[in-house]
Amino acid sequence: NAGVTQTPKFQVLKTGQSMTLQCAQDMNHEYMSWYRQDPGMGLRLIHYSVGAGITDQGEVPNGYNVSRSTTEDFPLRLLSAAPSQTSVYFCASRQGFNYGYTFGSGTRLTVV
Amino acid sequence: SQKIEQNSEALNIQEGKTATLTCNYTNYSPAYLQWYRQDPGRGPVFLLLIRENEKEKRKERLKVTFDTTLKQSLFHITASQPADSATYLCALHNQAGTALIFGKGTTLSVSS
Repeated sequence: NAGVTQTPKFQVLKTGQSMTLQCAQDMNHEYMSWYRQDPGMGLRLIHYSVGAGITDQGEVPNGYNVSRSTTEDFPLRLLSAAPSQTSVYFCASRQGFNYGYTFGSGTRLTVV
Repeated sequence: SQKIEQNSEALNIQEGKTATLTCNYTNYSPAYLQWYRQDPGRGPVFLLLIRENEKEKRKERLKVTFDTTLKQSLFHITASQPADSATYLCALHNQAGTALIFGKGTTLSVSS
């Protein structure tokens, strides 16, 4: 039982490049979310999903896209990377409304 | 939208004492509240969930209270140990119940 797996762990991008952060969970959880964490800002919600085919925007969605074609996978796409997107990104999943989240180990992204 | 405040950015206490962390929220009445622990370089780890009809919840040396009148939760660690040193995050669900919003956290340091 691997839990929530995020890849890559580290990434350096040039401004304007695009990339996809991968997130997969093997717990059959319906709810999944993406957060970014910056010093002094805490965890901020980017996008979330309540099941396959259903996604919605969080607090800071601009510059990011998501899709949820399967229960297991919830990739986060950066369309055109900007230095302001330098951050640590966490993916999380939970079984349902009254449950806690299981977090992945994070992806540290630097945009130069 | 809901606002979550964790009053102290940092809290320093001596080993053996009780640490008390505060989480205040505004603008709505959540059905539950969650607490997480985060160690440097790692994803948050779920600790406890307390529902609006529960005044208090305990897990080993941890105790959480939830006062829906004051719109406040208190998180206590009794007989604190240096290993309890970490950042502790308070989280509430959004009004639709579809995602969690986090406070900025309180960093606890326990000295021996």
